[in-house]
Amino acid sequence: DGGITQSPKYLFRKEGQNVTLSCEQNLNHDAMYWYRQDPGQGLRLIYYSQIVNDFQKGDIAEGYSVSREKKESFPLTVTSAQKNPTAFYLCASSGLAGLGETQYFGPGTRLLVL
Amino acid sequence: QKEVEQDPGPLSVPEGAIVSLNCTYSNSAFQYFMWYRQYSRKGPELLMYTYSSGNKEDGRFTAQVDKSSKYISLFIRDSQPSDSATYLCATLGYTGTASKLTFGTGTRLQVTL
Repeated sequence: DGGITQSPKYLFRKEGQNVTLSCEQNLNHDAMYWYRQDPGQGLRLIYYSQIVNDFQKGDIAEGYSVSREKKESFPLTVTSAQKNPTAFYLCASSGLAGLGETQYFGPGTRLLVL
Repeated sequence: QKEVEQDPGPLSVPEGAIVSLNCTYSNSAFQYFMWYRQYSRKGPELLMYTYSSGNKEDGRFTAQVDKSSKYISLFIRDSQPSDSATYLCATLGYTGTASKLTFGTGTRLQVTL
């Protein structure tokens, strides 16, 4: 059963703490993405990766970091530098850009600050 | 000006009604357009995908693109309570070899019995 999994479903962060969100895909997709979703603001791109060991900043990368050591995995770390981390985080993947490659999303992780 | 504009709603319609959801975009270079459906507390799922101008139909859903006016629409016929969700329009561009989606803010739809 191909798809994208994200864990945990809910995550609580204490002030000053770094937390890591997991994203795994078994679709054999080369590209992976992280988005943040806030009410009334749609989805905003945090980071994306086109290939293993390579990633680029999206529109709102400050306070976040990523790694891409394996094709299947693209974890996101929310660092203590991110002052407003409460949001719904979505991971997506796609094939490499061709004629209309589309992105498929995971179920999301809701991050809350204690 | 946002690249993709979408009325956030909420939009409430009775069961069986025809629903029209709309977006406008600013970049005339966009060629691919998507509609995603997102149920509460879930990830978005791809609903419709169209290239350039014209219509595309899939069951009760019709996606329409008018590139001359930079206007994209999603029509839902015979709406059902299970259609209650947030609908996100998106345009597809490219950055290097990765696709880049630009989303509207989403329109929340409620179909009532």
